[in-house]
Amino acid sequence: EDKVVQSPLSLVVHEGDTVTLNCSYEVTNFRSLLWYKQEKKAPTFLFMLTSSGIEKKSGRLSSILDKKELFSILNITDTQTGDSAVYLCARARNSGGSNYKLTFGKGTLLTVNP
Amino acid sequence: NAGVTQTPKFQVLKTGQSMTLQCAQDMNHNSMYWYRQDPGMGLRLIYYSASEGTTDKGEVPNGYNVSRLNKREFSLRLESAAPSQTSVYFCASRRELNTGELFFGEGSRLTVL
Repeated sequence: EDKVVQSPLSLVVHEGDTVTLNCSYEVTNFRSLLWYKQEKKAPTFLFMLTSSGIEKKSGRLSSILDKKELFSILNITDTQTGDSAVYLCARARNSGGSNYKLTFGKGTLLTVNP
Repeated sequence: NAGVTQTPKFQVLKTGQSMTLQCAQDMNHNSMYWYRQDPGMGLRLIYYSASEGTTDKGEVPNGYNVSRLNKREFSLRLESAAPSQTSVYFCASRRELNTGELFFGEGSRLTVL
């Protein structure tokens, strides 16, 4: 089965806290693992991970993939109210020829209070 | 640069009515996708099109049809709407090079009464 499981489903923190969001996935035809941030409207791309152990970083956000244990984490340091959003994890896999499918988890709702 | 444009943004239908959601992208991407998003369910793939002239079913295709009209446009049709199809629908296109990420439209909120 093509599952992506995110935890926790929701999280409330205070400004300045550090948070870690988790994503586990199933391995069939794995191609890459992607993280998106969704505020009020469309999801926006954060990171794509293909190799184990190589951290991707953008400002206060970072992410890493463990292909042996089949999970990824997204870290946000020094959280700010603007980080409040749903964070979506998605697994990409090849599905024949040039077909490429993303399966999303249910998301983690992060609320950062002042 | 418009990116991915969806219309309409909002629609209310009665059970049994039909409608088409339109999607167009101006990034010259080959692959396009339709997802639905329901509370607590994440994004679920309805149909996708790897290239002009091809379409394939995703996780939840029942009750929907799609047309890849040309490279730019990918429409989603509800032939006989049901309350279970009340959802927010997102169209996306995929960048084949570099990261391969999906670019999403702003969504279409559909309510079926």
